[in-house]
Amino acid sequence: KQEVTQIPAALSVPEGENLVLNCSFTDSAIYNLQWFRQDPGKGLTSLLLIQSSQREQTSGRLNASLDKSSGRSTLYIAASQPGDSATYLCAVSGSARQLTFGSGTQLTVLP
Amino acid sequence: GAVVSQHPSRVICKSGTSVKIECRSLDFQATTMFWYRQFPKQSLMLMATSNEGSKATYEQGVEKDKFLINHASLTLSTLTVTSAHPEDSSFYICSAAGTPTAGRETQYFGPGTRLLVL
Repeated sequence: KQEVTQIPAALSVPEGENLVLNCSFTDSAIYNLQWFRQDPGKGLTSLLLIQSSQREQTSGRLNASLDKSSGRSTLYIAASQPGDSATYLCAVSGSARQLTFGSGTQLTVLP
Repeated sequence: GAVVSQHPSRVICKSGTSVKIECRSLDFQATTMFWYRQFPKQSLMLMATSNEGSKATYEQGVEKDKFLINHASLTLSTLTVTSAHPEDSSFYICSAAGTPTAGRETQYFGPGTRLLVL
């Protein structure tokens, strides 16, 4: 059974810092991996999707990498802003298209 | 990106009543819809997978007689929480999978429904 772990569970940084969020998964037979953002009491916003054949994806200040063989992904946020404060969820998709989510990293960017 | 809506966004009900939550894909046909629940400060847990026109597949530990799922069309799936109790209070999120852009499939998530059972 796929298990997804995210470290750290919570992170607090001053504005302007670059930061890295980590995600690991136990079964490397994945279809794709996604990073989501969730604001308190809200639904999910998809940030980046990496297909299993890809190594990384970039969108603005965000860069996500995928190392399928080692079962790891990172989300890099450059020049963090207070508006980046949210919970970031990592999820992997298997052949059945079901997503298995990590427990998330709660990010606080201090002004 | 594709749009998925949920209705209602928030519902408060008395213990013992049934609550229906709708999930709609607004601009694409969703052959598969997924229902998740999320407890406070926890991640999303998949409850069931529904394919249009067939019975839903429930995850282990999810009572199919309590959480009724109907996926009658390619744009609508409903989750009915029957005889709701306070322990059913949670955040319910649906997602819809289709191919709105050529060659790349992904799940699009609804905004969620907050259920509070008194």
